[in-house]
Formats: sequence, structure tokens, C-alpha cells
Amino acid sequence: AQSVAQPEDQVNVAEGNPLTVKCTYSVSGNPYLFWYVQYPNRGLQFLLKYITGDNLVKGSYGFEAEFNKSQTSFHLKKPSALVSDSALYFCAVNPLTSGTYKYIFGTGTRLKVLA
Amino acid sequence: DVKVTQSSRYLVKRTGEKVFLECVQDMDHENMFWYRQDPGLGLRLIYFSYDVKMKEKGDIPEGYSVSREKKERFSLILESASTNQTSMYLCASSRRQGYLNEQFFGPGTRLTVL
Repeated sequence: AQSVAQPEDQVNVAEGNPLTVKCTYSVSGNPYLFWYVQYPNRGLQFLLKYITGDNLVKGSYGFEAEFNKSQTSFHLKKPSALVSDSALYFCAVNPLTSGTYKYIFGTGTRLKVLA
Repeated sequence: DVKVTQSSRYLVKRTGEKVFLECVQDMDHENMFWYRQDPGLGLRLIYFSYDVKMKEKGDIPEGYSVSREKKERFSLILESASTNQTSMYLCASSRRQGYLNEQFFGPGTRLTVL
């Protein structure tokens, strides 16, 4: 079955430290990968996507993600965390094989940046 | 500033009531989606629409229906609300090639069914 896993429900990091939010996927074919962020009482906002090309993708608010085909991972990273980065982060994949419209979302990882 | 708006932020209904959730986008997007978000389950697709009057079932369509009479508007209908439909409902839209393009989300409607 095609799936996306975010193995950590919550990640805590001190302000100024690097952060990583993990995402692994299991799909057949080439995946199209996305990260979204949800601030409290808000809808999801797009951060970045991997379609093809360079495995390191840069996105909004200083975030980046690295596509690793051999490990089927797409981890979200930021070199220096801010308290304002505290939010719920979702990884999503469109495996194409299930139709062009259907995304699979992970269960979300809550990031808490401590001052 | 592009926008997806939802008719209500909070809604309280009684079991058995018919509930309408409205979503409007101003980006001229072809695709529109309805998700529900529950803790620990992430986002689950209820229905999506790729054109006016066109719709397809998502992963959890039971108990829901949708309507898309105009390109900018996508409505979710709970024919007879039940307590297990208490949830956060998110509407989203995207351009036609949905697998390439990110989705734009509305702020969500938190529905409570008593």
C-alpha cells in the first residue's frame, strides 16, 4: 500500500539550533513530494516541493528538504530554528499512479521551538 | 493575495441535521478538494472536483456529498450529521496539473455535532 510516514509526533528543539522533521514514503513510481505547515487555527500553507532535479529543495521561511531516493525519505530541515517556527508540519506525496489529484498526507509532526 | 475562504470557522449542529460547508477560491483553479483533519490521522480526502459539475470520491466519502456548480465554489454537504463527523474540515484548491502544483488551503471549519 502507498503511504507516507512521519515517525515523530513531536519534535522539540532549542531556538538557534538546527531542526529536522522526518518523512519517509512508500509509493510505486516516481513520487512528487510536498511539505506544508499549519499554524494554530489556520489552514495549511505550502512550504516546498520536490518534482525533479536537484535533491536539495529550498522553500519558504528558510526551510529546505532533501530528497533521498535510496532511503525513500524527504526530511525537512532548517539550519537555525525560530520560536515562530513552532507549528504542525505535514509531509505529502502524490504517487501519480493513483490519479493525478490524490495526495497522501502524513499524520503530522508538531514542532516546538523552545526559547 | 490569493485566497481560499470557508463560510464558517466554527459550526455547531445537532445529530440528523443537514449541514452545508461552503468554500470559495479566487485563483481560477480547476481542482478543488475537501479534507477532514483529525488528530493522529492527518488529512483524509473526502471528495475532489477537477471541473465544474465533476467530482470524484476520495478515501472517506461515506456520509458526505459535494456540489460544484461554479468554478470558484465547492460545497460539502453532510446529509444527516452524526457525532462521528465532528472534525476540522479543510477546503483546498490547485491548478489543473495537481500532481505538480501545491494546494492552497482555506482556514478550516471546526464542526461539532451534538
